[in-house]
This record gives sequence, C-alpha cells and structure tokens, in this order.
Amino acid sequence: NAGVTQTPKFQVLKTGQSMTLQCAQDMNHNSMYWYRQDPGMGLRLIYYSASEGTTDKGEVPNGYNVSRLNKREFSLRLESAAPSQTSVYFCASSDPPLTYEQYFGPGTRLTVT
Amino acid sequence: QQQVKQSPQSLIVQKGGIPIINCAYENTAFDYFPWYQQFPGKGPALLIAIRPDVSEKKEGRFTISFNKSAKQFSLHIMDSQPGDSATYFCAASLESYGGATNKLIFGTGTLLAVQP
Repeated sequence: NAGVTQTPKFQVLKTGQSMTLQCAQDMNHNSMYWYRQDPGMGLRLIYYSASEGTTDKGEVPNGYNVSRLNKREFSLRLESAAPSQTSVYFCASSDPPLTYEQYFGPGTRLTVT
Repeated sequence: QQQVKQSPQSLIVQKGGIPIINCAYENTAFDYFPWYQQFPGKGPALLIAIRPDVSEKKEGRFTISFNKSAKQFSLHIMDSQPGDSATYFCAASLESYGGATNKLIFGTGTLLAVQP
C-alpha cells in the first residue's frame, strides 16, 4: 500500500517547455487535488477532482491543465512553463464524506529557468 | 474572506516547552479545521482536526483550542520534543458535511524548532 505517489521527484525546465506531473493513489479515494507550495505562502489549490471524469479550478489554476485519467490517476500539465511556476507541487487524495483527511504525496520540486 | 491567517511565522522553544500556533479565519461557513505537520522534503500529514461544535480536542500531546465567536483556533504542543521540529499548517474547509470534496484553504505555515 504505497498511498499517494508522484513522479518525477525533481525537474528542471526552460521557459516555454511543457511537462506533465503524474500522481497516483491506491486508496480507492474519489477526490484528488493538486497544490503548489511556495515559501511564505502555504499550500494553494491549483485544481481538484471530486470524482473520476470531473475536474474543477482551485485558487491558482492559470497556466495549468489537469486530467483525471481514471479513479487512481490525476495528472497536472504545464503547457508553457514560466519562472513563476517554480515551486514544489503536491498531489493529495481524500474520500469525503467517509474521510476528510487529505493524504499527500512526497512532492515534485520544479525549477523553471 | 477565504483566507486563513496564521501566526507566528517561526517559533523556537526549549524541550519541554509548550509552543502555541494561532490561526484566524473570516468565513463562518468553514466547518472543518485540520492541522498538518510537514517535515523537510516530505508531504504534509494530518496531525489533528476539529469541527466547530466543540471547543477543544486533544490527541496525545497535541491540543486544538477553538473559539467560534472569535473565529480563531490554535494548536498547543505539550512537552515539546526535538522530534516535533517541523512546519505546521492550519487549514479550513467548506462543504465537508456530505460534500463530494473538501477543498482546503491553508495558512502560511509556522516553522517550529524545539531545542534540546
């Protein structure tokens, strides 16, 4: 039982390049989330998915797209990376109303030069 | 109105001390208030959570105090240990009762150092 896994762990991109961050959970949770963490700003919600086939914008969605591929997997795509997207990205899952606890992955540290 | 304000930004205590971290919110519709603990290089993990129908919740050495009228809640760590050194985040959520998802709004975090 691995919980929430994320790949890659680290990534360096040049401005304008694209990439996809992968997330998978093995807890059979319906809800999944993508956050970014920046110094002094806490964690901010980028996108979330309440169930397979649905996605919604969070607090800071600009510059990102998401795909809920199936119940297990939720990917985050940067189409044209910008230095302002340098951050640590966390994926999380939960299963309300059974559990409101969000389980977080280990994060992806992304640097855009 | 969606913000959660957290203080202090950083905190240093001696082993055995009782660090207190405070959070304040504006939106009275929030109905779930968790605290997360994060160690360097790791993802946050749930520490303890409270709902607004109780004023205090204790789990081991960790206690949440909740003041609904003041719209404030705080985390107390009793008999703090060097292993408690981490970043602590408060959060608040809407739509938690019967909702399909619970979007968390996080505070900005408190870096706690417990000195031996």
